Amino acid sequence: NFMLTQPHSVSESPGKTVTISCTRSSGSIASNYVQWYQQRPGSSPTTVIYEDNQRPSGVPDRFSGSIDSSSNSASLTISGLKTEDEADYYCQSYDSSNHEVVFGGGTKLTVL
Amino acid sequence: EVQLVESGGGLVQPGGSLRLSCAASGFTFSSYSMNWVRQAPGKGLEWVSYISSSSSTIYYADSVKGRFTISRDNAKNSLYLQMNSLRAEDTAVYYCAREDGVDFDYWGQGTLVTVSS
Repeated sequence: NFMLTQPHSVSESPGKTVTISCTRSSGSIASNYVQWYQQRPGSSPTTVIYEDNQRPSGVPDRFSGSIDSSSNSASLTISGLKTEDEADYYCQSYDSSNHEVVFGGGTKLTVL
Repeated sequence: EVQLVESGGGLVQPGGSLRLSCAASGFTFSSYSMNWVRQAPGKGLEWVSYISSSSSTIYYADSVKGRFTISRDNAKNSLYLQMNSLRAEDTAVYYCAREDGVDFDYWGQGTLVTVSS
């Protein structure tokens, strides 16, 4: 089994760019796709990135995803921050050995 | 429009049982794998269980293995989670989520399960 580690919180000003990291504890980050979910207060999660870097329809291109094998991590980058982006963000991947779904601990994004 | 509506949550004593349901509409339910994901109050997301479209493949998180049972009825477009031997640490909002490839592309609104005496 592996863990996905995210920063507990990040904050940035409107209009700026923020990057949230998600580090895999063991095994290669590239071995299983990474997804990112946004959860606004009181709401269910929604996908903002799937398969490492794909955006679902309706998600603005201000959201982008990437993976970095050198740091064994995935990243979610949000540019042109808006107050509506304030939410919790979770990365997610799979453990192929047992099909266990692994979520990161979540990152609270504050846009102030 | 895809809709997932959970029900069956409530207050239950430690050691008790509860059965959650998830009613699906707006898509061909029998074509999709489904999952249960939970979120304890103020905490992050925790995957609970997976069931394939035909029910042939089922997985559980270690934390619920042997106590929870996932099932589905494709004729009724419904997903279920039978929860037995409930513990305080099972207290959470339980979401059903549709799986499309690797993505949980649709989630229900969740149903709250509280385990307390």
